[in-house]
Amino acid sequence: GAGVSQSPRYKVAKRGQDVALRCDPISGHVSLFWYQQALGQGPEFLTYFQNEAQLDKSGLPSDRFFAERPEGSVSTLKIQRTQQEDSAVYLCASSYRGRWEQYFGPGTRLTVT
Amino acid sequence: AQTVTQSQPEMSVQEAETVTLSCTYDTSESDYYLFWYKQPPSRQMILVIRQEAYKQQNATENRFSVNFQKAAKSFSLKISDSQLGDAAMYFCAYRREETSGSRLTFGEGTQLTVNP
Repeated sequence: GAGVSQSPRYKVAKRGQDVALRCDPISGHVSLFWYQQALGQGPEFLTYFQNEAQLDKSGLPSDRFFAERPEGSVSTLKIQRTQQEDSAVYLCASSYRGRWEQYFGPGTRLTVT
Repeated sequence: AQTVTQSQPEMSVQEAETVTLSCTYDTSESDYYLFWYKQPPSRQMILVIRQEAYKQQNATENRFSVNFQKAAKSFSLKISDSQLGDAAMYFCAYRREETSGSRLTFGEGTQLTVNP
């Protein structure tokens, strides 16, 4: 079946703009994770959803970052008033349940100029 | 907090030979999972192999095997008969064992080059 998809694959934003990054998980996957991967680094956890409930948002770096999953399927990561330090690849992963394997999407590369 | 350390930023291997990537971790938990992920330039993170901490037997997946030393908190990946397609960034990752969703904690990565 189809894997995790993310859009857009690339996004260039001017500093101060708002951006929205979309994640389509594998159908039927209950759990959804967002990670941020800076250049040359390993991914770092941002937030976790179980269905539509955001159970852990401890990794969000500031209140400019907001994530939602209103119907328990597609998720959107929104970054308000983007800053240069927000430049990174944003990875989405889903799993059937929280304890099962996480399957990753191809990521969205965000560049803030 | 759990931490994962990969001390080899870069490694290289000749095609058909064997290479070992190192990983150490720190945790106070007794039950957890360890993973090796491969990330090619396309950025798609691909699971290579998984190890449950309660299992003494080292995991094996075709040409990939691990050396899991729980007391030493060490988890190395051995790639046998290396192929050009193995060239990628490799990440070691840790996940707690819990009923609800658990985040992955990644190391810094090791860039593997395979020379023809």
